[in-house]
Amino acid sequence: KNEVEQSPQNLTAQEGEFITINCSYSVGISALHWLQQHPGGGIVSLFMLSSGKKKHGRLIATINIQEKHSSLHITASHPRDSAVYICAVYNTDKLIFGTGTRLQVFP
Amino acid sequence: DSGVTQTPKHLITATGQRVTLRCSPRSGDLSVYWYQQSLDQGLQFLIQYYNGEERAKGNILERFSAQQFPDLHSELNLSSLELGDSALYFCASSVVTGNTEAFFGQGTRLTVV
Repeated sequence: KNEVEQSPQNLTAQEGEFITINCSYSVGISALHWLQQHPGGGIVSLFMLSSGKKKHGRLIATINIQEKHSSLHITASHPRDSAVYICAVYNTDKLIFGTGTRLQVFP
Repeated sequence: DSGVTQTPKHLITATGQRVTLRCSPRSGDLSVYWYQQSLDQGLQFLIQYYNGEERAKGNILERFSAQQFPDLHSELNLSSLELGDSALYFCASSVVTGNTEAFFGQGTRLTVV
């Protein structure tokens, strides 16, 4: 069993839909990252959080430390949101990655 | 642009060869991380340096080595290359270590033929 699990693995949506991607982890962490990887391969850090909730534009990330669970929400999804979203946790100075969620948003 | 620069962007080499990947961190960042992303393994942590010293080690093969120089740039050396080493290699940097945001370079795509 992976230490960081993401669901779903693949997600398709129509433009405008509300998207939720889930991340569960089984190790102790000091922080959790949400990353975005576009088809070209580059990785962008979306959020780093260790408690509560963060919002940036149409993106919202939440974390529940007690339940070892985080969610990434995308409101009013757009085709340019199509990418792989990766959850990663900081555990003793290293990042442990989930396998990613591939999101495709169609017009 | 994250401010982290990796060179080269693409590299094609033969089995048995040795290559060096280079990473320049964001200005002011002391910590450099190396990651490997292969099709079947996803992203894997390789090694971390902080201010010139090795800080943490992950799933790094003995054929691979890295260092961080006094100007804080880092190099990842891959030797005796095998077909399975073909992957995207990412570098990331952060101000300090641990619980701080990391910024990723664009990656080096290594193809071993």
